[in-house]
Amino acid sequence: EPEVTQTPSHQVTQMGQEVILRCVPISNHLYFYWYRQILGQKVEFLVSFYNNEISEKSEIFDDQFSVERPDGSNFTLKIRSTKLEDSAMYFCASRRGVGAYNSPLHFGNGTRLTVT
Amino acid sequence: TQLLEQSPQFLSIQEGENLTVYCNSSSVFSSLQWYRQEPGEGPVLLVTVVTGGEVKKLKRLTFQFGDARKDSSLHITAAQPGDTGLYLCAGSGGLLNSGGSNYKLTFGKGTLLTVNP
Repeated sequence: EPEVTQTPSHQVTQMGQEVILRCVPISNHLYFYWYRQILGQKVEFLVSFYNNEISEKSEIFDDQFSVERPDGSNFTLKIRSTKLEDSAMYFCASRRGVGAYNSPLHFGNGTRLTVT
Repeated sequence: TQLLEQSPQFLSIQEGENLTVYCNSSSVFSSLQWYRQEPGEGPVLLVTVVTGGEVKKLKRLTFQFGDARKDSSLHITAAQPGDTGLYLCAGSGGLLNSGGSNYKLTFGKGTLLTVNP
């Protein structure tokens, strides 16, 4: 079964550094998402992306964050200047459409970002 | 702002017991999903419910969506150690003035279930 793949599985970076988290969504999917989960907290929506533009973003997704689909297969999340509080598990997800029944959201296994 | 409250937060039971976990909100959702998440992995979809009052069964798991589409429950019959995991409910859609959106899911914090052999 097709799956969403994320790399790396674990990224350690120093505060103030830029990081890029990479995702390959399922190939025929049109909607792409980033969520994050701070240890012990709930999964939080960051951003949704459709038709090469952001369709919705949360308050968490400030100017330090950006997303890109550079080549039609990859979907990336960039954090320009990481802060300690950015440490979390970042999940990429994709879906074919926005219908609840026929377009379930598929999650990758996440990238654990540790900011020191 | 849409919020989903899950209870209990932690549940530890013996193999063979039945259990119910709950997902409640003051907001209406167009649809609600239940996910299971294992350590180090992403959430995996179990079921989607859309219609108020809807009941869906997945082997020993029974999911119900409240009539008003504000709450849901997951009942597991004769739990097994393989059922151990974090069970998450997530809602989408609903009223725009409460933050509803068809683009995003709002997650609860989850119920961490441990089934002991």
